[in-house]
Amino acid sequence: AQSVTQPDIHITVSEGASLELRCNYSYGATPYLFWYVQSPGQGLQLLLKYFSGDTLVQGIKGFEAEFKRSQSSFNLRKPSVHWSDAAEYFCAVGLSGGGADGLTFGKGTHLIIQP
Amino acid sequence: NAGVMQNPRHLVRRRGQEARLRCSPMKGHSHVYWYRQLPEEGLKFMVYLQKENIIDESGMPKERFSAEFPKEGPSILRIQQVVRGDSAAYFCASSYGQGTYNEQFFGPGTRLTVL
Repeated sequence: AQSVTQPDIHITVSEGASLELRCNYSYGATPYLFWYVQSPGQGLQLLLKYFSGDTLVQGIKGFEAEFKRSQSSFNLRKPSVHWSDAAEYFCAVGLSGGGADGLTFGKGTHLIIQP
Repeated sequence: NAGVMQNPRHLVRRRGQEARLRCSPMKGHSHVYWYRQLPEEGLKFMVYLQKENIIDESGMPKERFSAEFPKEGPSILRIQQVVRGDSAAYFCASSYGQGTYNEQFFGPGTRLTVL
């Protein structure tokens, strides 16, 4: 079974600083990879996804992520964070090959932005 | 341009009562997923349904929980004889097609509190 690890429960960065959120996955083949953001009391919004091809993917709100097969990682980055980026971030993996299963999520990283 | 709708947004039940959570997928979507989010945890897949069919219920507890997605009307997640451990946020997602390469759009969730 696939699994997702987000090693950092909380991360605090200053507004304007760069950000990297870590995500490692365990899966027997190349999975489909996702990053979602959840604001307090809200549902999840998709930031970006990787299926195949270019390993650097661009998403919404200025986020990007890089798939590194050798490290089984899919880290999320942003060059300059804004106060509105404070939220919970979830990395998720899905089965490739059109499987019917749902997504497997990490436990999330809570991002705090300092003024 | 309505997204995924869930109601109620907040539900309070006493132990032993029944909880019914509703999910209306996005227009044109016929695939529905239910996830549960416990405090400080990521989302856990529960069940995947298409109209009138349960496709994958591997994440659903064996007792007290059931789900349906009738031909007409919303998908329903039903929890019988609720216990305090059922307190969680329950999210519904919908997609246009089968397989995790089809983006899942999430609703705002129903927050269930069991007293």
